[in-house]
Amino acid sequence: NAGVMQNPRHLVRRRGQEARLRCSPMKGHSHVYWYRQLPEEGLKFMVYLQKENIIDESGMPKERFSAEFPKEGPSILRIQQVVRGDSAAYFCASSRGMDEKLFFGSGTQLSVL
Amino acid sequence: ELKVEQNPLFLSMQEGKNYTIYCNYSTTSDRLYWYRQDPGKSLESLFVLLSNGAVKQEGRLMASLDTKARLSTLHITAAVHDLSATYFCAVSGETSGSRLTFGEGTQLTVNP
Repeated sequence: NAGVMQNPRHLVRRRGQEARLRCSPMKGHSHVYWYRQLPEEGLKFMVYLQKENIIDESGMPKERFSAEFPKEGPSILRIQQVVRGDSAAYFCASSRGMDEKLFFGSGTQLSVL
Repeated sequence: ELKVEQNPLFLSMQEGKNYTIYCNYSTTSDRLYWYRQDPGKSLESLFVLLSNGAVKQEGRLMASLDTKARLSTLHITAAVHDLSATYFCAVSGETSGSRLTFGEGTQLTVNP
């Protein structure tokens, strides 16, 4: 079992470009969570998805950010028109069920120039 | 809104010493987690505490949970340099399922 896979590991974008972050959950896991970590801070919840459905997006910024978890393929966190303040580490976690233990990926470090 | 506070945020200690990290949370929770994060790395799960009075130990680390006080502690015994990392506690609320609210983290440095 390869664990939660995130790519890319590092992503550099210029202001105004789009960033796409991918997350493949562990085998058998259908629940995916995205968290953002700013430097020297804890992780902040962004969105919770379960195959093809957004369950809780209360932590997502209202504009420019979107997430999906299609029936086939990885979950995608998309940030349009990135700004410097979007620079952070974005972690994906997956679980088998809603109350099950979370397993975290290695994260994607987004740097906006 | 569930809030989680850790203290201290920064901890520098000598090898061989003992210390405790505290984690307070604001509302009823059904489980509490401790994670370790090394610089530039992901989170490594250390402990899951599910009930009042739960105590778990792994090597030099011991975690406990007091649900009545809404307090968890992570105790470090005879620290070694390899324990240097940032430690996070995280709490799931009664209605939030696996969604976690994290504390700010405690950056631990163990000096030789």
